[in-house]
Amino acid sequence: GAVVSQHPSRVICKSGTSVKIECRSLDFQATTMFWYRQFPKQSLMLMATSNEGSKATYEQGVEKDKFLINHASLTLSTLTVTSAHPEDSSFYICSARDPQVSYNEQFFGPGTRLTVL
Amino acid sequence: GEDVEQSLFLSVREGDSSVINCTYTDSSSTYLYWYKQEPGAGLQLLTYIFSNMDMKQDQRLTVLLNKKDKHLSLRIADTQTGDSAIYFCAESPPRRGQNFVFGPGTRLSVLP
Repeated sequence: GAVVSQHPSRVICKSGTSVKIECRSLDFQATTMFWYRQFPKQSLMLMATSNEGSKATYEQGVEKDKFLINHASLTLSTLTVTSAHPEDSSFYICSARDPQVSYNEQFFGPGTRLTVL
Repeated sequence: GEDVEQSLFLSVREGDSSVINCTYTDSSSTYLYWYKQEPGAGLQLLTYIFSNMDMKQDQRLTVLLNKKDKHLSLRIADTQTGDSAIYFCAESPPRRGQNFVFGPGTRLSVLP
C-alpha cells in the first residue's frame, strides 16, 4: 500500500518557539493531504485540508495563523506550529489521498508527538 | 445524530470473536471504513465497505452494514493479543467533501 512518512516523530520545544512537521507521500502523488490532531484517548480532529498549490482549508475553530500549512509539491505538506504553547502539545497526524485509489482511502503517517514545555 | 458513535471499550479473551459497533451519521456516505491504531502510531486501514454492500469478509474480518439504521460493525474472528488496539470507524459524507468523520474509537483489549 501507499506509504506516508512524517518527520520528526517526536519533538520537544520551549514555549514561544515554532515547530515544523513534514508529511511526505513516498510512493504516490497526493493532490490532497490532511492534518489531524489527536488528544490522549480521543479521536482524530481534522484541522485542515491541504491541496497542492493552493491555500489550505481550515476547520472551524482552527487558527490559520497559528497552524501554518504549506503544500508546495505533490509529495510534501508541512505544518508549522507558530509560537507554540503548552496547550499545543498533542499528537499530530497527517494523511494523504492517492487519486489513483477508487475508494477514497486516506493513507496515514505515523504521527508526530509534540511536547511544548 | 451529528456524531459518529462507538462504544469506547471492549475486552475479549484470546481466541474469541470481537464485535465492534459503530453508528454513522450520513446515509449518503459512499464508503465506510475501519481503521486500527496501535499505541503511538498512525492509523492503518483495516477494511472498507461500499455503501451498496451488506457484508464484506476479508480473512478474519467481517464487516456488516445496515444502511437503513446507519449501523456498521466489525467482527474479528479468533482474536489475538496482537489485535489489541484502538479501532476507529469513519465515514466520508458528501456534506464534508473529501473529509473523513471519525468515531471516538473503541479500545479493544485482548486477555490471554
